[in-house]
Amino acid sequence: GAGVSQSPSNKVTEKGKDVELRCDPISGHTALYWYRQSLGQGLEFLIYFQGNSAPDKSGLPSDRFSAERTGGSVSTLTIQRTQQEDSAVYLCASSLDSGGAYNEQFFGPGTRLTVL
Amino acid sequence: AQSVTQLDSHVSVSEGTPVLLRCNYSSSYSPSLFWYVQHPNKGLQLLLKYTSAATLVKGINGFEAEFKKSETSFHLTKPSAHMSDAAEYFCVVSLTLANNDMRFGAGTRLTVKP
Repeated sequence: GAGVSQSPSNKVTEKGKDVELRCDPISGHTALYWYRQSLGQGLEFLIYFQGNSAPDKSGLPSDRFSAERTGGSVSTLTIQRTQQEDSAVYLCASSLDSGGAYNEQFFGPGTRLTVL
Repeated sequence: AQSVTQLDSHVSVSEGTPVLLRCNYSSSYSPSLFWYVQHPNKGLQLLLKYTSAATLVKGINGFEAEFKKSETSFHLTKPSAHMSDAAEYFCVVSLTLANNDMRFGAGTRLTVKP
């Protein structure tokens, strides 16, 4: 079946503009995660959705970052008033759920964001 | 607090020789540990995981890792490297089995020479 997909694959924007990044998780996966991968860095957790529960936003670096998940499926990560330090690869992952035993996260190919 | 340190940012081996990618962790509790691989322009893929069962964990593509509590290490090994193993490898620690509690290392880039 289809894996996690993300769009666009690449996004170049000017400083100060808003951007929206999209993630389509694997069908039936209730948990969805956003990470940021900066050059030479590991993955930085941003936000996590589990079913209809309130999202865990503890990883969002500033109030310019927000995310929503409509209908428990597709998710959009929005960055307002982009800054050059926002340049990174943004990765989305989904899993069956996160309760109890570990469920493998399946990652999308990422969106490479470049802020000029 | 928990953290994970990958000791080498870049490892280069010849095809057919052993691979060793080093990972040390710090955790106040018994952690769960994982290795993920990221091939160019591909998503991250789980290689293997340790969740307090057997300390020697076997994963896909011939990789394995050994959890050593006394050394706080979880090094990834493979007896014989293949060209297709060239990728970025991430060591991950989780204090609990909750997925949103995972911490990724900075990554080790593995190069395989013919």
